Amino acid sequence: GIQVEQSPPDLILQEGANSTLRCNFSDSVNNLQWFHQNPWGQLINLFYIPSGTKQNGRLSATTVATERYSLLYISSSQTTDSGVYFCAVENTGGFKTIFGAGTRLFVKA
Amino acid sequence: DAMVIQNPRYQVTQFGKPVTLSCSQTLNHNVMYWYQQKSSQAPKLLFHYYDKDFNNEADTPDNFQSRRPNTSFCFLDIRSPGLGDAAMYLCATSRDNPGRADTQYFGPGTRLTVL
Repeated sequence: GIQVEQSPPDLILQEGANSTLRCNFSDSVNNLQWFHQNPWGQLINLFYIPSGTKQNGRLSATTVATERYSLLYISSSQTTDSGVYFCAVENTGGFKTIFGAGTRLFVKA
Repeated sequence: DAMVIQNPRYQVTQFGKPVTLSCSQTLNHNVMYWYQQKSSQAPKLLFHYYDKDFNNEADTPDNFQSRRPNTSFCFLDIRSPGLGDAAMYLCATSRDNPGRADTQYFGPGTRLTVL
């Protein structure tokens, strides 16, 4: 099956710093999503991005499907950005979603 | 405003005692998913429904079953919970895009404790 690897596994930032999270996947996929899981366990969809670049406020994401990776950029980080960021891909057979292990982010005030 | 609702938020059951978790949605999405997330791990897909078509993952234990009586509701039944089934159970929905999933929306989860 498809392997999804995220890096770094853990990240500590000072408030206001920028960061880049990476997601590599081992095979062609139908789509790719980035999620943020808050400390209460709620998963929030940040981007649906099978290819190209999208931006939403301080967050942006780029997926290069031909090279099998995606990047999530967080600018001017805030303490509320803390949590776990997951990359999830759907296999080409459809509807089977595979999550990476996540990047655990802590933003210090 | 709630779009994907899960009940209960916390469930405590005894070893071997059947338990049912529920999920409802107001989005009218045709695809519904159940995930299991153990502590400090990523969510793992158990199964999904495409309309009424049930799709089980190959490594989902037989102990886990699901029902979808209509578009809005989906249930997860754990027939004989073991200590290893203690986890957060997440329900999600998406539209068909077509032939692939669109953006997935997650409920808040049910945290299951097995005593």
